Amino acid sequence: QVQLQESGPGLVKPSQTLSLTCSVSGDSISSGTHWWTWLRQHPGMGLEWIGYMHHSGNTYFNPSLRSRVAMSMDTSRNQFSLSLTSVTAADTAVYYCARTCDGGSCFDYWGQGTLVTVSS
Amino acid sequence: QSVLTQPPSASGTPGQRVTISCSGSKSNIGSNSVNWYQHVPGTAPKLLMQNNNQRPSGVPARFSGSKSGTSASLAISGLQSEDEADYYCAAWDDSLNGALFGGGTKLTV
Repeated sequence: QVQLQESGPGLVKPSQTLSLTCSVSGDSISSGTHWWTWLRQHPGMGLEWIGYMHHSGNTYFNPSLRSRVAMSMDTSRNQFSLSLTSVTAADTAVYYCARTCDGGSCFDYWGQGTLVTVSS
Repeated sequence: QSVLTQPPSASGTPGQRVTISCSGSKSNIGSNSVNWYQHVPGTAPKLLMQNNNQRPSGVPARFSGSKSGTSASLAISGLQSEDEADYYCAAWDDSLNGALFGGGTKLTV
């Protein structure tokens, strides 16, 4: 059974960098079979796709966030990470990691999500 | 504001059939497959329907999906109390070159 678990600080100060890690079990992120994804949900709002990464190093990012987003992989730990710079209160959200399946909007396994609050 | 448009709410009584719509455009639903997610707040979203009308393993047959032109819909028959959740449609957008979600529909049973 594939499982994903997000981890990282729950509180980030404005203008700082939000960094989250997703630990994957039950699948290998280096297999190249899937892309690995970050999404978020603002309080009381819908889901928003942040971007995804493939083991090859290829990435796709939401154009609205592209200038502030980076993703990386640590294959030795079977983890992938999200970095979002220059955060503001508008980046307060529950952040999810997920595995991508067929097509660009198919996500078949998700983490439980982690709330990140941007506040001084 | 979401580019994929869903009604904010839907409701039904146990045993009824409900349908949730998702309206897009040529660059997203019109050109790519639609996926649906069920989300109970506080839990991980669940893939409910993929490639317009394919149920992942474990999803009951009373859930069905369809797509026509630039719109898609999710139907739930034999409504049960545990179906109470938020439902989201999603599709790739060729103009945005990214994945889009609908605003979500809160289903009350």
